[in-house]
Amino acid sequence: AQKVTQAQTEISVVEKEDVTLDCVYETRDTTYYLFWYKQPPSGELVFLIRRNSFDEQNEISGRYSWNFQKSTSSFNFTITASQVVDSAVYFCALSEGFTSGTYKYIFGTGTRLKVLA
Amino acid sequence: DTAVSQTPKYLVTQMGNDKSIKCEQNLGHDTMYWYKQDSKKFLKIMFSYNNKELIINETVPNRFSPKSPDKAHLNLHINSLELGDSAVYFCASSQDPERGYNEQFFGPGTRLTVL
Repeated sequence: AQKVTQAQTEISVVEKEDVTLDCVYETRDTTYYLFWYKQPPSGELVFLIRRNSFDEQNEISGRYSWNFQKSTSSFNFTITASQVVDSAVYFCALSEGFTSGTYKYIFGTGTRLKVLA
Repeated sequence: DTAVSQTPKYLVTQMGNDKSIKCEQNLGHDTMYWYKQDSKKFLKIMFSYNNKELIINETVPNRFSPKSPDKAHLNLHINSLELGDSAVYFCASSQDPERGYNEQFFGPGTRLTVL
């Protein structure tokens, strides 16, 4: 069965520190997609990035970077030089359904990041 | 312009009542979803409709009934509300569910409190 594990429930860092949020997934499909979403205190869910199972290239977007490793079934998210505005709950999600034909998200339990000034 | 909107934003009601939450998207997407986020922030899919047809129906009590009058709208009706139904309910939409590549766009959420 598919599963997404975010083992870090809560992380606190001081502003300007780098922080990595871990995500480990399980799936039997060979075609799948991974996502990260941010949920700030205001409550909305904001899409950050997606990766497909055939693309292991790491990605950098400003202070954000993502490391996808199929060998360890991980899709980790790093924030460089964290800022107070990065404080949020971050969700990793697996989209899998190649076998069934209908994709659906399986969300991890989220990691609450607190960036202290 | 709001891409995915939900009404109401807050809903406080008594146990046993029936209530509805409305969702509309103006993105032209074919697929819409309902998610439940509990007090521990755990997000779980409940239903999904593609072009007004139900395609995902997770293990949800029969008291919950989604209705899609057209592909831009997906409403959630809940009968005989229970304390455990208290949660934030999110509507979302995406294009083309056969391609899991497409991200989902979420509404602002509806916080339901059952007293």
